[in-house]
Amino acid sequence: DTAVSQTPKYLVTQMGNDKSIKCEQNLGHDTMYWYKQDSKKFLKIMFSYNNKELIINETVPNRFSPKSPDKAHLNLHINSLELGDSAVYFCASSQYLTYEQYFGPGTRLTVT
Amino acid sequence: DAKTTQPTSMDCAEGRAANLPCNHSTISGNEYVYWYRQIHSQGPQYIIHGLKNNETNEMASLIITEDRKSSTLILPHATLRDTAVYYCIAPNTDKLIFGTGTRLQVFP
Repeated sequence: DTAVSQTPKYLVTQMGNDKSIKCEQNLGHDTMYWYKQDSKKFLKIMFSYNNKELIINETVPNRFSPKSPDKAHLNLHINSLELGDSAVYFCASSQYLTYEQYFGPGTRLTVT
Repeated sequence: DAKTTQPTSMDCAEGRAANLPCNHSTISGNEYVYWYRQIHSQGPQYIIHGLKNNETNEMASLIITEDRKSSTLILPHATLRDTAVYYCIAPNTDKLIFGTGTRLQVFP
């Protein structure tokens, strides 16, 4: 019974393409996040949603657009992919205003 | 977030206790200390958190000094599967900020 799941696990695509990553959590949490981990292994938050509302939006290019259809799902759509977008993207969830977050297994995005 | 300082890497023999230190001398009175770990190729995993009392759960123990300027995460009987990067975080904003952590290598 996976708590936080992401699809796909691997994504290889060419520059300029548009792609989406999906995330679902079955923990009953009301807050979800997207993180990016680059090749140097730095893990940085990108976005956070609480009850389908955007509450954290770090300095991320507007080619990245998160969408939360309901509080159990948070998807990440990326337009016009660039080489620098290659990274592992992690979804996470928590109860609002807590730091106890549960992470998904990650999606490794490779842009060629 | 209050700045935390951790050693870059540590080794521990399998079956022995792994004691991972963290300095957080600028932490304020109401800031908790959180520990996460990231096993290779997996998502980060929450371990434990505390404010000023020592805490224990099924994964680890957290010892926080009385002045709250440092803490130690203890894995009482390290196994090979505990090999990971361990992050000590003292959040005071609306997000977790992961530093570089301590790479713990458990050897047989």
